[in-house]
Amino acid sequence: AQTVTQSQPEMSVQEAETVTLSCTYDTSESDYYLFWYKQPPSRQMILVIRQEAYKQQNATENRFSVNFQKAAKSFSLKISDSQLGDAAMYFCAYGESQGNLIFGKGTKLSVKP
Amino acid sequence: GAVVSQHPSRVICKSGTSVKIECRSLDFQATTMFWYRQFPKQSLMLMATSNEGSKATYEQGVEKDKFLINHASLTLSTLTVTSAHPEDSSFYICSAKGQGRNSPLHFGNGTRLTVT
Repeated sequence: AQTVTQSQPEMSVQEAETVTLSCTYDTSESDYYLFWYKQPPSRQMILVIRQEAYKQQNATENRFSVNFQKAAKSFSLKISDSQLGDAAMYFCAYGESQGNLIFGKGTKLSVKP
Repeated sequence: GAVVSQHPSRVICKSGTSVKIECRSLDFQATTMFWYRQFPKQSLMLMATSNEGSKATYEQGVEKDKFLINHASLTLSTLTVTSAHPEDSSFYICSAKGQGRNSPLHFGNGTRLTVT
């Protein structure tokens, strides 16, 4: 069965600095998707970034980028120029074409002014 | 862009009663919808997968007779928590996927259920 592991329950970053959130996963599939979701206190699930496993190029969305290492089954999220609004829970998720997602336990990110 | 509407956002009910939660895709046809449960300070756990016009597929450990899922149209799936108990109190969130392998996934805003 597929699993997703986030080994950092909490992280803290200074405003304007860079932080990296870790995620590893396990699967025997070759075709899948990886996601990072942000969940603020409102509990709305906000898609931060999406990576298709068959693409070697790391996905980037403005200040958010990933380091996707397929062989190592690693999918870390880098947040550059951190802002106060980035503070939230961040969930790494694995999915296949059907659309059901397996989530990691999450990392609570705090941003210090 | 595509939006998924989930209603109600909050509900309080008494033990033994049933509660229905709706998940609607507003501007796309959702062939598949997913229902998740999230306990406080925990991650989202998939409860069931709902395909339009067919029976839902439940994850191991989820009671199908307690959590009734109906996906009668391409824009609406409902989750009914039957004979609710305090331990059913949780945050329930749906997601919807359109047709096509690469169609995106959209989440509703969730429902906070409190059973007293």
